[in-house]
Amino acid sequence: DTAVSQTPKYLVTQMGNDKSIKCEQNLGHDTMYWYKQDSKKFLKIMFSYNNKELIINETVPNRFSPKSPDKAHLNLHINSLELGDSAVYFCASSRPRLGAGGPTDTQYFGPGTRLTVL
Amino acid sequence: GQNIDQPTEMTATEGAIVQINCTYQTSGFNGLFWYQQHAGEAPTFLSYNVLDGLEEKGRFSSFLSRSKGYSYLLLKELKMKDSASYLCAVRRLGRGSTLGRLYFGRGTQLTVWP
Repeated sequence: DTAVSQTPKYLVTQMGNDKSIKCEQNLGHDTMYWYKQDSKKFLKIMFSYNNKELIINETVPNRFSPKSPDKAHLNLHINSLELGDSAVYFCASSRPRLGAGGPTDTQYFGPGTRLTVL
Repeated sequence: GQNIDQPTEMTATEGAIVQINCTYQTSGFNGLFWYQQHAGEAPTFLSYNVLDGLEEKGRFSSFLSRSKGYSYLLLKELKMKDSASYLCAVRRLGRGSTLGRLYFGRGTQLTVWP
């Protein structure tokens, strides 16, 4: 009955490899996000999808490519991994209504994927 | 970007009250969130303010002053399990890519001592 789930929880890999992180939410939300939390605990948005459509695409290297096969899933694929990619990656979901605020826009986070690039 | 400022660390003792401040500068303000994050875990939602004033939820309360760009999170009757990082996040009103977007502060690490 997990609300937002991610796999894997830990990922250790060599520089130059390609890896994917998967995210699924069973909350029926319309919007999903990927965040990166660095070693200083700063949480920064990378991407956001609303109903499978990309709506936020921050300044991240194009080695990072999100894919949303349906509303409940948002995967993150990373090519040619670099040392600086080591971080915790969090998936989140919410159900925002255009132009409206309120608790319905609250974002719920997955447990995180700790990526270590050696 | 948004300027969101909160203290890096705070300490308190069990049973005490602690106030964690957050100041921000943003255009198109559309709400302020507080999240709690225990070490190695995901951020979890604590509170939300969009209008000025105090919102109370059990031992936790959050205050907002939009004119001052200021919020605080008040934790009462502190417990050891309240030791965590507390993240202030501001949401901007906008169209398209800024819909529902949160800008997080760097978090305040609270340590509660027995």
